[in-house]
Amino acid sequence: KNEVEQSPQNLTAQEGEFITINCSYSVGISALHWLQQHPGGGIVSLFMLSSGKKKHGRLIATINIQEKHSSLHITASHPRDSAVYICAVTGTASKLTFGTGTRLQVTL
Amino acid sequence: EAGVAQSPRYKIIEKRQSVAFWCNPISGHATLYWYQQILGQGPKLLIQFQNNGVVDDSQLPKDRFSAERLKGVDSTLKIQPAKLEDSAVYLCASSLWAGTSGANVLTFGAGSRLTVL
Repeated sequence: KNEVEQSPQNLTAQEGEFITINCSYSVGISALHWLQQHPGGGIVSLFMLSSGKKKHGRLIATINIQEKHSSLHITASHPRDSAVYICAVTGTASKLTFGTGTRLQVTL
Repeated sequence: EAGVAQSPRYKIIEKRQSVAFWCNPISGHATLYWYQQILGQGPKLLIQFQNNGVVDDSQLPKDRFSAERLKGVDSTLKIQPAKLEDSAVYLCASSLWAGTSGANVLTFGAGSRLTVL
């Protein structure tokens, strides 16, 4: 079992839909990161969380430390949101562990 | 603020040849990571440096891969000899060091795409 599990692996949505991507982890962490990777592109950090909730534009990230679970929400989705979304956790000694990613496709 | 610089962006070599990738992290970032990302998969950590020391290289195939960060700034990742399965994007990332209890935002380079024929 991976230390960081994401669901779903693949997600197709229509423009305007509300999207949720989930991440569960099994190790102690100091922070959780949500990353975005467009096809053929580099990786961009969207959020770093250690508690609570953060919002940036149409993106919202939440984390529940007790349940070892985080969610990334996209409101009013748009085709330009199509990308792979990766959850990663920072453990001891800043060791970073990645989830396998969620491939999102938003259609018109 | 300048980002994480990586070069070359693309490299095509034949198997058994050698290749080297270079990464210059954001100024002041003590932690530097090298990742291997095979097409369709998530990034896999190869090595993590804290300044010029190695924090984690447990997944680095040491028979063919080596990495160094001699002055605690830029870093080089070398593969010798390359195999077909080494075809991947090699990503460099850096972050500030916040001690054992903290974490910082990661900044990734654009990656170096290696094709081994």
